[in-house]
Amino acid sequence: DAKTTQPNSMESNEEEPVHLPCNHSTISGTDYIHWYRQLPSQGPEYVIHGLTSNVNNRMASLAIAEDRKSSTLILHRATLRDAAVYYCILTRVDFNKFYFGSGTKLNVKP
Amino acid sequence: DAGVIQSPRHEVTEMGQEVTLRCKPISGHDYLFWYRQTMMRGLELLIYFNNNVPIDDSGMPEDRFSAKMPNASFSTLKIQPSEPRDSAVYFCASSSGVPQHFGDGTRLSIL
Repeated sequence: DAKTTQPNSMESNEEEPVHLPCNHSTISGTDYIHWYRQLPSQGPEYVIHGLTSNVNNRMASLAIAEDRKSSTLILHRATLRDAAVYYCILTRVDFNKFYFGSGTKLNVKP
Repeated sequence: DAGVIQSPRHEVTEMGQEVTLRCKPISGHDYLFWYRQTMMRGLELLIYFNNNVPIDDSGMPEDRFSAKMPNASFSTLKIQPSEPRDSAVYFCASSSGVPQHFGDGTRLSIL
């Protein structure tokens, strides 16, 4: 299984940008990088995904290092609703098989 | 859009009883996934289906666990007999590619 490494927890102030890092040094050329988040007492929720180029959507941006060994999820203006556990996931061979690690618990302070 | 619907939301039962968890995927989705979440092991993929056919069940922990998808709008995950270590939150998800859409889960407690 392709491994990812994320900090256990991070803290941010409301309305400030948040950069959530993920290391995936064993990534292969066909591995996609997915980010999901899980709010308290809910199922995981899709945030963004990408392969090589940086990606933007209405929720966040994904910055992928040139060597693809790391990536960063960027929340441009954190809100209290963004407090969640954020998972960085690689999919290898089988695009449907997700291996969720322990994720990063984001705390947003008002 | 109703989203993925799971029932029941909570289930408390005694060890040895049969437990059946239910999932209604989003209409039009051709993939369905069952996950289990515990504090110790985090989120684990148990099994997934494509067009009602099981594709990968390598995450199913034991023969006590079984999953079926009789049609495109319904799936069950059954545990028989149940044990206290099966206590967890079980999530169902569906997709037609990316992303996977998750239900709110069933919190299962086996006493």
